[in-house]
Amino acid sequence: EAGVTQSPTHLIKTRGQQATLRCSPISGHTSVYWYQQALGLGLQFLLWYDEGEERNRGNFPPRFSGRQFPNYSSELNVNALELEDSALYLCASSLGVDGELFFGEGSRLTVL
Amino acid sequence: KNQVEQSPQSLIILEGKNCTLQCNYTVSPFSNLRWYKQDTGRGPVSLTIMTFSENTKSNGRYTATLDADTKQSSLHITASQLSDSASYICVVSYLLGGSYIPTFGRGTSLIVHP
Repeated sequence: EAGVTQSPTHLIKTRGQQATLRCSPISGHTSVYWYQQALGLGLQFLLWYDEGEERNRGNFPPRFSGRQFPNYSSELNVNALELEDSALYLCASSLGVDGELFFGEGSRLTVL
Repeated sequence: KNQVEQSPQSLIILEGKNCTLQCNYTVSPFSNLRWYKQDTGRGPVSLTIMTFSENTKSNGRYTATLDADTKQSSLHITASQLSDSASYICVVSYLLGGSYIPTFGRGTSLIVHP
């Protein structure tokens, strides 16, 4: 069974540009979570989607947005990129049973 | 405010030694507590889950404990190996409207030296 897959693995952008990150959850999982992990820091919650709807979002500005598609895959969009957006962006999916999160390998975003 | 605090922030030990990582939480109402292991540049992977009624649970050389009264958990690693070098993250969840809401600690960075 395939795990959570994320693309691209690495992405380099310049300030002011837009970045789009993609995530495919484990088959059968309807919930997708997005986290930001800056270098040396803990995971910061960004967004949670379930059944196609945004259920919760973390303390991030509106230029961080996303959506979940009918097949439960998801994308994260970051507009007007800033240097401090450079981080590892992790996607996780969940079946909703006991709350276990299954993480992808992440997308490394570098903003120059 | 729901919070998860982990200590120490970082730890360096020699291969073969034991170590214990701590997690204190204020998450309420408590549903379960998980320890995740995150290798550098990779996604976290669940090591063990603790529910309210469980005091101790082992997964190989990893043993997690939970004291629900004091809201503390520990992760003990026995006979450490170089591959144990990673960040260990404590995640406490509560139930809201049928969904589990996870609260993450900032993690403990463990380095095992030969």
